[in-house]
Amino acid sequence: NAGVTQTPKFQVLKTGQSMTLQCAQDMNHNSMYWYRQDPGMGLRLIYYSASEGTTDKGEVPNGYNVSRLNKREFSLRLESAAPSQTSVYFCASSEDRRNSNQPQHFGDGTRLSIL
Amino acid sequence: DQQVKQNSPSLSVQEGRISILNCDYTNSMFDYFLWYKKYPAEGPTFLISISSIKDKNEDGRFTVFLNKSAKHLSLHIVPSQPGDSAVYFCAASGSNDYKLSFGAGTTVTVRA
Repeated sequence: NAGVTQTPKFQVLKTGQSMTLQCAQDMNHNSMYWYRQDPGMGLRLIYYSASEGTTDKGEVPNGYNVSRLNKREFSLRLESAAPSQTSVYFCASSEDRRNSNQPQHFGDGTRLSIL
Repeated sequence: DQQVKQNSPSLSVQEGRISILNCDYTNSMFDYFLWYKKYPAEGPTFLISISSIKDKNEDGRFTVFLNKSAKHLSLHIVPSQPGDSAVYFCAASGSNDYKLSFGAGTTVTVRA
């Protein structure tokens, strides 16, 4: 039972390079999310997809783009990486929040360093 | 501005004793509250939740208390065990809101 799978687990980039973080879930969840975690700040929402075919900005969307490829997969792209985007990135998924109080389930994260 | 605050960055407790973690929120529209536990190099895992229609929810050793008038919730772990050593995040969301707002986390260390 994999749950939420993120690839890669680690990545080092140079400033200006591009990168796509992959996320897939096998729980048949409708909603998917991308967060970043920085020291002392908890998790902050970058983008989310309430359902297949929709995406919306979260709290810190600047510098990122997302694609909901299908119900299972939700990718996060950095078009031109900057040192300020050095962080740990978490993908999560959940049932449709509007129908029930279902928690979000998280992957193990991608540790991204930008030099 | 952070809408969910965990003002204690760390907590050290002896094995077998009670751990009490606190969380405050500012958004009165929040009606669903969760606690997540996180080990190093892993993602957060869901621990327990509470809806605003309740003031207490219990699951084994874990109990969450909600005080809506004070905009405050707490997590009690009784008894604390070494495996409870982790970072605990408080999170909240509002009705029809897909987004979770997280606190900065509290690192719990359980001493043998």
